[in-house]
Amino acid sequence: GAGVSQSPRYKVAKRGQDVALRCDPISGHVSLFWYQQALGQGPEFLTYFQNEAQLDKSGLPSDRFFAERPEGSVSTLKIQRTQQEDSAVYLCASSLAGTKGVTDTQYFGPGTRLTVL
Amino acid sequence: QKEVEQDPGPLSVPEGAIVSLNCTYSNSAFQYFMWYRQYSRKGPELLMYTYSSGNKEDGRFTAQVDKSSKYISLFIRDSQPSDSATYLCAMRAGGGNKLTFGTGTQLKVEL
Repeated sequence: GAGVSQSPRYKVAKRGQDVALRCDPISGHVSLFWYQQALGQGPEFLTYFQNEAQLDKSGLPSDRFFAERPEGSVSTLKIQRTQQEDSAVYLCASSLAGTKGVTDTQYFGPGTRLTVL
Repeated sequence: QKEVEQDPGPLSVPEGAIVSLNCTYSNSAFQYFMWYRQYSRKGPELLMYTYSSGNKEDGRFTAQVDKSSKYISLFIRDSQPSDSATYLCAMRAGGGNKLTFGTGTQLKVEL
């Protein structure tokens, strides 16, 4: 079936603008993750959902970052009052795992490349 | 110091060469070890998944984990130009869900 999809693929924002990034996980996947990948770096964890519950948001860099998954499927990552340091690729991943410790594969989307001017 | 260290490269090899990619880590809680391949402007794609120490082979790819040394490796045999990509090691603690990635090593296989 279809993989993880993300939209928009590219987003340019002026500093101070709010942005919303969308993730459509693989159908039936319980877990959903957001990662931030700066240029030349590996992805860094932002937040994790199991169904609609946000179980871990320890990686969100500031209170300007907010994520939701209200119906346990599509997720939105919102960044308020964007800053230049927010420029990065935002990756979404989903997996079947619904229980901690269960080995499972995270499937990644293509990412949204955010540029803040 | 980062929890996972990986040489960013770039690494350039001729077609047909054996490639060795490595990561070291400091967190003893890591029990699951993965290698992802990422092409330019694409999301990471899982290549290998291993649990604890040992070797795992899949086609031209072999993953090794040495927990006593906190060292993992990925070997690519008979490398092809299509293997040119960034290779990311990733790890997860037992009982955890989030992945901790290395910086990624950029590999170029030349004709």
